Amino acid sequence: GAGVSQSPSNKVTEKGKDVELRCDPISGHTALYWYRQSLGQGLEFLIYFQGNSAPDKSGLPSDRFSAERTGGSVSTLTIQRTQQEDSAVYLCASSFDRGNEQFFGPGTRLTVL
Amino acid sequence: KNEVEQSPQNLTAQEGEFITINCSYSVGISALHWLQQHPGGGIVSLFMLSSGKKKHGRLIATINIQEKHSSLHITASHPRDSAVYICAVRSISGGGADGLTFGKGTHLIIQP
Repeated sequence: GAGVSQSPSNKVTEKGKDVELRCDPISGHTALYWYRQSLGQGLEFLIYFQGNSAPDKSGLPSDRFSAERTGGSVSTLTIQRTQQEDSAVYLCASSFDRGNEQFFGPGTRLTVL
Repeated sequence: KNEVEQSPQNLTAQEGEFITINCSYSVGISALHWLQQHPGGGIVSLFMLSSGKKKHGRLIATINIQEKHSSLHITASHPRDSAVYICAVRSISGGGADGLTFGKGTHLIIQP
């Protein structure tokens, strides 16, 4: 079956603009995770969804970052008033249930000019 | 101090060599993951383990929970094994932390 997909694959935006990143998890996977990979920072956890609820938002770096998930499937990560330090690859992963093996999407490369 | 430490950071070896990458962590965990990332490519999950040893093809992963240490071994290494190998842990937490905590990765180059 299809893996995790993300769109867009690349996004270039101007500082101060809002961006929306999309993740389509593997069908039937109840758990969904957002991560960020920055140069020099490695991979870091942002937020976790179980179904449509987000019991763990501990990794969101500021209140400019928000995420939602609808229908237990697609998730969007929104970054408001983007800053240059937001430039990174944003990765989505899903798993059948909490604690299971995670399958990663290809990522969205965000560049804030 | 990072919760997940990997060594070495960089490793260059000749084709056919036996490769070992180490991972140490400082928190209680429910599982440890080994991930592979090729240059410009996505992340692939190699192993998820909570005890003992797992083997898949030429790859072997071991974990010692008491010592908070895991190793990833590659036998008969090949240039296509060149990639960044990342260790990640899922912490045991009453606070609901469910995301993975990652090491900084080991950049492996296998020369023909």
